[in-house]
Amino acid sequence: AQKITQTQPGMFVQEKEAVTLDCTYDTSDPSYGLFWYKQPSSGEMIFLIYQGSYDQQNATEGRYSLNFQKARKSANLVISASQLGDSAMYFCAMREGGLSGGSNYKLTFGKGTLLTVNP
Amino acid sequence: DTGVSQDPRHKITKRGQNVTFRCDPISEHNRLYWYRQTLGQGPEFLTYFQNEAQLEKSRLLSDRFSAERPKGSFSTLEIQRTEQGDSAMYLCASSLDWTVMNTEAFFGQGTRLTVV
Repeated sequence: AQKITQTQPGMFVQEKEAVTLDCTYDTSDPSYGLFWYKQPSSGEMIFLIYQGSYDQQNATEGRYSLNFQKARKSANLVISASQLGDSAMYFCAMREGGLSGGSNYKLTFGKGTLLTVNP
Repeated sequence: DTGVSQDPRHKITKRGQNVTFRCDPISEHNRLYWYRQTLGQGPEFLTYFQNEAQLEKSRLLSDRFSAERPKGSFSTLEIQRTEQGDSAMYLCASSLDWTVMNTEAFFGQGTRLTVV
């Protein structure tokens, strides 16, 4: 089974509007971390936001927030007030805590969502 | 620039040739990772170093691939007898120890390999 699933290959949003990028995950480890990265055409992976499995509140970082629904195993990224510079690939990733025998250092990525912000 | 740097940014090589990529991590980071990203996919883990010790190699890393991190500083990834299937973006990342779960990995801009 896929550990990270991003079901939206591409998304379009108008400038200044909000957009939600979906991510579901699968793990039996009670301790894990969820990350979102942005990859512009230049190729570099830019860290955006982190949510820990034990965190009680949803993470927020500026215009980015993470809608964490643990029971549904979803960790959707919300970008508010979209800007033209937000156009990029967005990847959801997970690092498991290692309590179920997996490694606790490597990231497992989804296939990504290509976000296009229209002026 | 104090980020992760990779060299070269682009490499075109003929099938059967050997290639070597270099990664310079953030100086205080003791963990270093290599990932491979093919078109339309997310990055896939290849290998991991804790200081100079290579602690895990993915099954994706065939015998033609070798990675080193002498003295726990920069790292090299060598591919021998390249094949067209090796064409991909090779990403290097570094981090501090995961003493807390939210320690993020910082990525370089990658080396895009094209095997013709």
